[in-house]
Amino acid sequence: GAVVSQHPSRVICKSGTSVKIECRSLDFQATTMFWYRQFPKQSLMLMATSNEGSKATYEQGVEKDKFLINHASLTLSTLTVTSAHPEDSSFYICSPGTSGYNEQFFGPGTRLTVL
Amino acid sequence: DAKTTQPPSMDCAEGRAANLPCNHSTISGNEYVYWYRQIHSQGPQYIIHGLKNNETNEMASLIITEDRKSSTLILPHATLRDTAVYYCIVKTQTGANNLFFGTGTRLTVIP
Repeated sequence: GAVVSQHPSRVICKSGTSVKIECRSLDFQATTMFWYRQFPKQSLMLMATSNEGSKATYEQGVEKDKFLINHASLTLSTLTVTSAHPEDSSFYICSPGTSGYNEQFFGPGTRLTVL
Repeated sequence: DAKTTQPPSMDCAEGRAANLPCNHSTISGNEYVYWYRQIHSQGPQYIIHGLKNNETNEMASLIITEDRKSSTLILPHATLRDTAVYYCIVKTQTGANNLFFGTGTRLTVIP
């Protein structure tokens, strides 16, 4: 199956700082990238969908100016949490769109803790 | 996509079969049943999927009822590493579609 990596795997930052999370699809080209977040003891929730070379589409309740998504290439998408606050502490997971496969593949996740 | 209902938690003895049920009574004809699992602090992992026939792979078996309103994921010989949250998801088989994760079943394999 497809290999997806995320960096960093975990990050701790101070309130008010910005954090960038990278997601790479290592062995195939992803024209679409899904970004999920997962709060403790909750299920994954889709935040946004990005398409290579165009603006991301955000789910209701997700601030597009706070969660900046860049999908500049077919193998790299980034999520930047700007001016992070403790309520942004969560597990962030990327998943490339996989037309041609029956299943979805997911990155290993990035655990963000905002102090 | 149709909604699914799963028990919130289950226990299973190590080495025994784990049978995880899922109800999807509003499934439509072109929707598949997918199973994923998420081990703690990891991304979800695909397990198996099916349309109406029973399916088996190296990880699990999927039994779908004839009316397709429910299914059961079977892990034939559960190990401690199978402890995870298991998600049953119903969706059409088209590419580049995001998945809707319900609450899933937290399976705990007990030594």
